[in-house]
Amino acid sequence: KNQVEQSPQSLIILEGKNCTLQCNYTVSPFSNLRWYKQDTGRGPVSLTIMTFSENTKSNGRYTATLDADTKQSSLHITASQLSDSASYICVVRGGSSGTYKYIFGTGTRLKVLA
Amino acid sequence: NAGVTQTPKFQVLKTGQSMTLQCAQDMNHEYMSWYRQDPGMGLRLIHYSVGAGITDQGEVPNGYNVSRSTTEDFPLRLLSAAPSQTSVYFCASSYWTAGSTDTQYFGPGTRLTVL
Repeated sequence: KNQVEQSPQSLIILEGKNCTLQCNYTVSPFSNLRWYKQDTGRGPVSLTIMTFSENTKSNGRYTATLDADTKQSSLHITASQLSDSASYICVVRGGSSGTYKYIFGTGTRLKVLA
Repeated sequence: NAGVTQTPKFQVLKTGQSMTLQCAQDMNHEYMSWYRQDPGMGLRLIHYSVGAGITDQGEVPNGYNVSRSTTEDFPLRLLSAAPSQTSVYFCASSYWTAGSTDTQYFGPGTRLTVL
């Protein structure tokens, strides 16, 4: 069964600290993996998109990594800010040609404290 | 560009009522989809469309209908609302090609409560 699992479910860190969020997937065939940020009461916003051949991709203080062999991805947030408080969702696009689907993880809820 | 717009932002229905959630995009995207988001669960696909006149069911289609008469609009109809349909509904759009890495854009959501 195609699944995307994220850990931890929730995380609290102090402003200025770094953190890493994890994503494991069992989607096959794999097309690409995305990380989204979802602020409370708003729709998800894309942070990074990585294909099979990409190991790392950055977007400002956000750096995503992908290990297609172990089917794991991580999102590293550097020097966290209060505005980073949000849910972070890992999404895998997969399936055979013509049947592509987006499979969503349940998200990691991050709280950054002053 | 306005991006993806959804109306209404909030809605309260009584069991058995019907209504339509509106979604529009101005980016000429082929792919449009509806998701519902419930506490503790990932977004779940209700229905999707890969172009005008083409729709298909997602993971949780029961109780919902869609149509796609234009590229821009993709309304979601609740036929007879049930309390189990209380949720936050998101519409999304993107280009749609094999292996596409095009960004999927989400609307702001509609928070629906069914009493």
